[in-house]
Amino acid sequence: GDSVTQMEGPVTLSEEAFLTINCTYTATGYPSLFWYVQYPGEGLQLLLKATKADDKGSNKGFEATYRKETTSFHLEKGSVQVSDSAVYFCALSVRAAGNKLTFGGGTRVLVKP
Amino acid sequence: GAGVSQTPSNKVTEKGKYVELRCDPISGHTALYWYRQSLGQGPEFLIYFQGTGAADDSGLPNDRFFAVRPEGSVSTLKIQRTERGDSAVYLCASSPTSGSQTAGANVLTFGAGSRLTVL
Repeated sequence: GDSVTQMEGPVTLSEEAFLTINCTYTATGYPSLFWYVQYPGEGLQLLLKATKADDKGSNKGFEATYRKETTSFHLEKGSVQVSDSAVYFCALSVRAAGNKLTFGGGTRVLVKP
Repeated sequence: GAGVSQTPSNKVTEKGKYVELRCDPISGHTALYWYRQSLGQGPEFLIYFQGTGAADDSGLPNDRFFAVRPEGSVSTLKIQRTERGDSAVYLCASSPTSGSQTAGANVLTFGAGSRLTVL
């Protein structure tokens, strides 16, 4: 079946540090890949997505590149802010499965001033 | 409405009771999904609807869980004989459709969730 594995947290960083959250996947079909973010007290929000190999999704300074050869979709940001403190979820969907999302376990990121 | 609306936002009940959780999707979205998120974990798929019909209910944990969407808009997740292990945040999401690869068509928009606590 489909599955997503992401690095466990919490990840604690200082402001302006570089952030990487690793994500790898297995899928029965050709997946679309997503990063969702959950800020404290808020619901899940789409952060970025990529729908085919070598696509790069980007938003709010975050980037992730769809790497089919390594089945990965690592999230990066060059300089984090305190406001980036949140839980980040990697996810995939496969059209043949009705585009339902399969999520990883989430990575909590805490950015300290 | 502008977003996905879920009610109640919080529900506390006693073991063995019946619970209903409601989801009002974005207007015009034909696909609707239910997920369950336990503390410290990622959301787990329960069921999704395309229109009025349940297209995939493979994630429902047992026959105590049931969901309906009679008019293809609002959906209700129903849990019978609740158990303490049912305590979680139940998330609803909608998307314009479930079977298209058109850019943006398969993006799910989530509601804020209904937190269920079974005592």
